[in-house]
Amino acid sequence: GESVGLHLPTLSVQEGDNSIINCAYSNSASDYFIWYKQESGKGPQFIIDIRSNMDKRQGQRVTVLLNKTVKHLSLQIAATQPGDSAVYFCAEKTQGAQKLVFGQGTRLTINP
Amino acid sequence: GAVVSQHPSWVICKSGTSVKIECRSLDFQATTMFWYRQFPKQSLMLMATSNEGSKATYEQGVEKDKFLINHASLTLSTLTVTSAHPEDSSFYICSAGSRPSTVGANVLTFGAGSRLTVL
Repeated sequence: GESVGLHLPTLSVQEGDNSIINCAYSNSASDYFIWYKQESGKGPQFIIDIRSNMDKRQGQRVTVLLNKTVKHLSLQIAATQPGDSAVYFCAEKTQGAQKLVFGQGTRLTINP
Repeated sequence: GAVVSQHPSWVICKSGTSVKIECRSLDFQATTMFWYRQFPKQSLMLMATSNEGSKATYEQGVEKDKFLINHASLTLSTLTVTSAHPEDSSFYICSAGSRPSTVGANVLTFGAGSRLTVL
């Protein structure tokens, strides 16, 4: 079903530390996942994506891990910077469908 | 890169009036665009899928007569909030499919959003 968030979970990390943001999804038919970053008052920005036939993808300072067994997705951000402060959303799509369904989101705060 | 533009970025209107929000794909053609709604501190909720040249597909619980969607060209979709009320105040965001990502799937590019405040 649809994932709806009522209150955003928060994560605070020290600048320079690594952060891990988690996302649980419910639809076992989902085959494509994306992480988006949303800054205040702006639209979501694409960070990284992964298909269900993969369990890990790496980008620049970011890594996405997918565990289909427990329907869990995580985003790892290495050496966090102040500019990483934002709300991070996971989104999922099922094969053949056009639409993306968003998870509840996590607010990441970087402490100096 | 792919750019989706929304206009206006913010609008204030009186209760009972109608407001139109535009979503344009600036450097690519989008046969499908999506309209989302986001309340403060909440996630994005899909309202409808806008298909060029045909009727929009609305999600369950979204009133199609209240949220009119028109996708007249491959680069423009509009959302009109009719007879707006204070509870319609929200952040409305559109998106469109653009280039394939490195995993071969089409990445949705989002507009910057339009903040609607109904007095």
